[in-house]
Order: sequence, then C-alpha cells, then structure tokens
Amino acid sequence: TQLLEQSPQFLSIQEGENLTVYCNSSSVFSSLQWYRQEPGEGPVLLVTVVTGGEVKKLKRLTFQFGDARKDSSLHITAAQPGDTGLYLCAGAFNNDMRFGAGTRLTVKP
Amino acid sequence: ETGVTQTPRHLVMGMTNKKSLKCEQHLGHNAMYWYKQSAKKPLELMFVYNFKEQTENNSVPSRFSPECPNSSHLFLHLHTLQPEDSALYLCASSQGFGREQYFGPGTRLTVT
Repeated sequence: TQLLEQSPQFLSIQEGENLTVYCNSSSVFSSLQWYRQEPGEGPVLLVTVVTGGEVKKLKRLTFQFGDARKDSSLHITAAQPGDTGLYLCAGAFNNDMRFGAGTRLTVKP
Repeated sequence: ETGVTQTPRHLVMGMTNKKSLKCEQHLGHNAMYWYKQSAKKPLELMFVYNFKEQTENNSVPSRFSPECPNSSHLFLHLHTLQPEDSALYLCASSQGFGREQYFGPGTRLTVT
C-alpha cells in the first residue's frame, strides 16, 4: 500500500469546469507539497501546506490541508487546457520523501 | 528553468555499458536527491545527500552508484543495468531535507 493515496487516478474534463483532486494518508505529515508535472519534464512545485486546516490560493488553484494533517485537496476553478498535467502530492516521512502516484488531468478545449 | 540541470536528457545504453548521469543545481541548496520514475508507478526516492553526506539509500541495487563531490553537483554512475531499469531519472535539490524540492528535467534512460 502507498503511504500517500491520490484520487482520482485520471480525470478528463472540459475547459471551464471545476474539479477537486485528493491526497490521503493514514499518517500525519508535518507538511505536504503539491507539484505539477508535464510530459518529458520534472515536477514543478506549486505549493507547500504546513498548518492543519490551512488554505492556500494560487490564482485559480485552492489547496487545503486537513485539520489532522493527514490529507490534502486541490481545487481548480474554471479549468483551462494549460492546467493539463500530472498532479503529485508529496511529504517527508521517517527520513524518506514519499510521493503519491498522482492524478493525471486532461482539460479539453 | 528551475535552477537544476541534468545531462544527458536522453540516454540509450546496452546492459554491459557504463555511463553516468549528471545533475547540477544553481540554487545554493544543501540537499540533493535522485528519483526513479517508471510508467504507472509513483516517484521512487533512490538516494539523498545532505551537506554532501549520503543519508538515504532506499535498497537500490549496487549497479547504481551515486557520487556527490560538492553541494552543487550530483552524479549517478550506471553499470550492467537491466532492461527494467529503463525509466526517467530525476534529480532534485532543496534547502534542507524534506523541504520544497526543485527538480531537473530528467534523463530518459533506455536500457537495451
């Protein structure tokens, strides 16, 4: 079993729709990071959430860290084709960096 | 441009070859990482260097050998690889272990 479970695994939507993807764990993390990866490139950091219940906004992206610091969500408003990519959550756990398997998002024009 | 460069971007090698992957970071970070990314599998942490000292080796086969001569450079030496080692190898750096990581573009490795 993976330490960080991401859902859904795949998501295909039309431009303009809203969506939410999830990152869940049974373990407590001191912080979680979200990255976006495009084909043939390395992941790019989007945000870090640290405090339980924290909400951070990055333009049309809203990130939330669960109160118990075991889960996080990413909400995208009015998705655009440029949002297409693999969204990864990650956290440090017992001197190991763990990544979820990711949500592969496709936004169709 | 994330401040982390990797060379080569693509590499095809036979199982008997010896090659090296190079990573350089221009961010002044003190931690550097090697990850393996295979199709349909999560990113797997291979090695971590913190202040040039290796702090993590996640049961990686000895055919992969890391080297960190200074805090800005990281190498991954490859020898007698197997076809299942074909993957995207990513280098990353951060200011302290577990902090926000900045990734290079990766080396796409194919073992024939």
